[in-house]
Formats: sequence, C-alpha cells, structure tokens
Amino acid sequence: GQNIDQPTEMTATEGAIVQINCTYQTSGFNGLFWYQQHAGEAPTFLSYNVLDGLEEKGRFSSFLSRSKGYSYLLLKELQMKDSASYLCAVLKNAGNMLTFGGGTRLMVKP
Amino acid sequence: DAGITQSPRHKVTETGTPVTLRCHQTENHRYMYWYRQDPGHGLRLIHYSYGVKDTDKGEVSDGYSVSRSKTEDFLLTLESATSSQTSVYFCATRDSAHQETQYFGPGTRLLVL
Repeated sequence: GQNIDQPTEMTATEGAIVQINCTYQTSGFNGLFWYQQHAGEAPTFLSYNVLDGLEEKGRFSSFLSRSKGYSYLLLKELQMKDSASYLCAVLKNAGNMLTFGGGTRLMVKP
Repeated sequence: DAGITQSPRHKVTETGTPVTLRCHQTENHRYMYWYRQDPGHGLRLIHYSYGVKDTDKGEVSDGYSVSRSKTEDFLLTLESATSSQTSVYFCATRDSAHQETQYFGPGTRLLVL
C-alpha cells in the first residue's frame, strides 16, 4: 500500500506566501501531482513533478524530493480566490493508478 | 480541460435499486477513470478503462461495475445501491500512455436513502 499525508487545514493571509507539504511512502513511484479543488467543483490540474527539484508556474511552484518522499506546493501573493482544497496525488506503475491524499483545505483571510 | 460531462449531476435513490452514472468525453482520450470522494478519504479509484471494452478494478471496486462500449462513454453501475455508496462521483480522462495528467469531470452527487 501507500501512505500520503498532508495537513487537513491551513489558514493564511491575503498577499502572503503559504507552503503545503505532502509526504508519501510508495513503491513504483512514477510522479506526483497537485490539484486544486474549489468547494463543490471538480479538481483542476496544477502541477506534475517526476524529477527532483522545483517547478515554477506563475504564482504556484511545486517541489519534489524522491529520496525523501516529500513534496510541497508553494503559493505566492495569495488571493482570496486561492481558498480551496489542494490535493496531493502519487502516480504509480506508469499511469493507471493515481492515489490521492486527503487534501489540504486552505483558507485565505483578508 | 478535456470536454467531460457527467450525468446526472445529482441523484437521490433508494437502497437496493440499481443506478447508472454516465461519463461522456469529446477529446478522444484513451483512458477513463471513476473515482468517489468522501470526507476523510479523499479521492479513491473505483474502476478504470484503458480502451474500448478494456477495464480493470481500482481500490474500491466492490459493489460497482463499469462498461465502455465506445471511446467517448464510460458507465458506472451500482448494482444494488447501499447507503455507504452515498458520495460524490468524479470521472476523469487521460490522453495517452505518454501524457500522465488526468482531467476531471464536474462530478455527480449521489444520495442513497
């Protein structure tokens, strides 16, 4: 099996920076995804990391360390619309099995 | 986003009745997935398909069956609905073996009374 752990809830202030961590234990690791999910809506793709290092995409960056089983999603210049759940998901065995963590609910306050 | 629709979007049914949920995509993606999302569990894979008439079980497949008779449609059937199957069901698609990203449909809220 595999364990994927991420904090249940986080709160941050508009304009600030927040880091959402994800740790995982799995065999046959083939990459890690981050999705954003607003309440009552579908998950939407944010990032995919398969190699170690930082990938930057606008205000959002995602980092992966395969040796440590660790990833984080970094959100800069927080906006109210960033209030959502952020889902960490591990890809295993070349694509057919995507396993999700429980998600981190981020609340951005004025 | 892949053009993914799900129907119905909301459904209330009674225990013991069969229920079929439909996922329709217009992107000609080869792979399709059914997930359920419950508080405290995150998204869990029920079944997936890697081509027409090619399907396989996921993590939580008991009580569910699927069919894929054409590329664009993937049906999920609850053979005899139970209250534990009350959930939000999401369909997802993926383009090919070399494109790993899954894209999600809008979801179906199912309540089993």
